[in-house]
Amino acid sequence: AQTVTQSQPEMSVQEAETVTLSCTYDTSESDYYLFWYKQPPSRQMILVIRQEAYKQQNATENRFSVNFQKAAKSFSLKISDSQLGDAAMYFCAYSKDSNYQLIWGAGTKLIIKP
Amino acid sequence: NAGVMQNPRHLVRRRGQEARLRCSPMKGHSHVYWYRQLPEEGLKFMVYLQKENIIDESGMPKERFSAEFPKEGPSILRIQQVVRGDSAAYFCASSPGREGETQYFGPGTRLLVL
Repeated sequence: AQTVTQSQPEMSVQEAETVTLSCTYDTSESDYYLFWYKQPPSRQMILVIRQEAYKQQNATENRFSVNFQKAAKSFSLKISDSQLGDAAMYFCAYSKDSNYQLIWGAGTKLIIKP
Repeated sequence: NAGVMQNPRHLVRRRGQEARLRCSPMKGHSHVYWYRQLPEEGLKFMVYLQKENIIDESGMPKERFSAEFPKEGPSILRIQQVVRGDSAAYFCASSPGREGETQYFGPGTRLLVL
């Protein structure tokens, strides 16, 4: 069965600094999708970034980028120039198909220090 | 284009009552997913529906829970005879069903069982 592990329950970073959130997963599939979602205090679930496993190039969205290591089954999220609005729970998620259930990690609480 | 709509946003029920949670997918989306988030945890998949069809209900408890997505109207997640352990946030997501498309989430319904 596929599993997603986020080993950092909480991370803190100084405003304007860079932080990396870790995620590992387990699957026997060769093609799949990986996601980072953000859940701010409003509890809305917001897509931050996604990666297709068949793409070797790491996905980037403005200040957010991933380090996708397929062989190591690692999918970390790097947030550059951290802003106060980045404070939230961050969830890593896996799906073996775009039309399939998402399997979620337990989340990492990100604290931004002003 | 309105996002995924869920109502009510907050629902309070006493033990033994019924809870009905509604989800209207984004325009053009024909696939709906329901997830449950217990306090301090990640999301857990419950059920995946297309119009008038349940595709995957492997994550839904066998008793008291049911879901539907009729030809017309919103998707409904129904919980009969609620118990305190049903207190959680219930999220709906939708996607257009095409390969490579992402699931987009509604704001969630917070169910509190007294």
